[in-house]
Amino acid sequence: DGGITQSPKYLFRKEGQNVTLSCEQNLNHDAMYWYRQDPGQGLRLIYYSQIVNDFQKGDIAEGYSVSREKKESFPLTVTSAQKNPTAFYLCATTRGPRYEQYFGPGTRLTVT
Amino acid sequence: AQSVTQPDIHITVSEGASLELRCNYSYGATPYLFWYVQSPGQGLQLLLKYFSGDTLVQGIKGFEAEFKRSQSSFNLRKPSVHWSDAAEYFCAVGAANFGNEKLTFGTGTRLTIIP
Repeated sequence: DGGITQSPKYLFRKEGQNVTLSCEQNLNHDAMYWYRQDPGQGLRLIYYSQIVNDFQKGDIAEGYSVSREKKESFPLTVTSAQKNPTAFYLCATTRGPRYEQYFGPGTRLTVT
Repeated sequence: AQSVTQPDIHITVSEGASLELRCNYSYGATPYLFWYVQSPGQGLQLLLKYFSGDTLVQGIKGFEAEFKRSQSSFNLRKPSVHWSDAAEYFCAVGAANFGNEKLTFGTGTRLTIIP
């Protein structure tokens, strides 16, 4: 069954701790994306990767880091440097620039 | 840089009534345009997309959208809404050139359906 898996669905952390969000896909898509969603602000791009071992900063990359060691996986680390990490995080994939993006179910991160 | 404006933050319509959600985009060349729908706490689902060709595109769940280049708009329509259409709707624009695969999303329109 093809798709995008994000785990966990809900994540709770204490302030000052780094946390890693998982995104796995079996769609064989080359490009993967991380978005942050806050109420009233739509989706904002954090990082994206068009190929293994390569990634680019999006519009709000500060306080986040990523890796792309495998085509199937694009984990996002929210570091303690991210000033306001509580948000809903969405992972997406696409076959290429002329195709739509497919989204995972999201991870809601709460930092207190 | 590309941008998307969804001027309506929240729309309320009666079940069975028609619906139009507005989307205006800014992009220098031919854009790729998308409408997505999101239920609370879920990911986004693609409703429809415009790449080229016929400016009236049909999507899933009875939705359609019309690309109007002269107005830089890509409004979403449905002739008769159902209670299950209550959700948040996002318009997005993508660049039509290779090497730039980013989408820019609008801030969304929340749709409420009343009986």
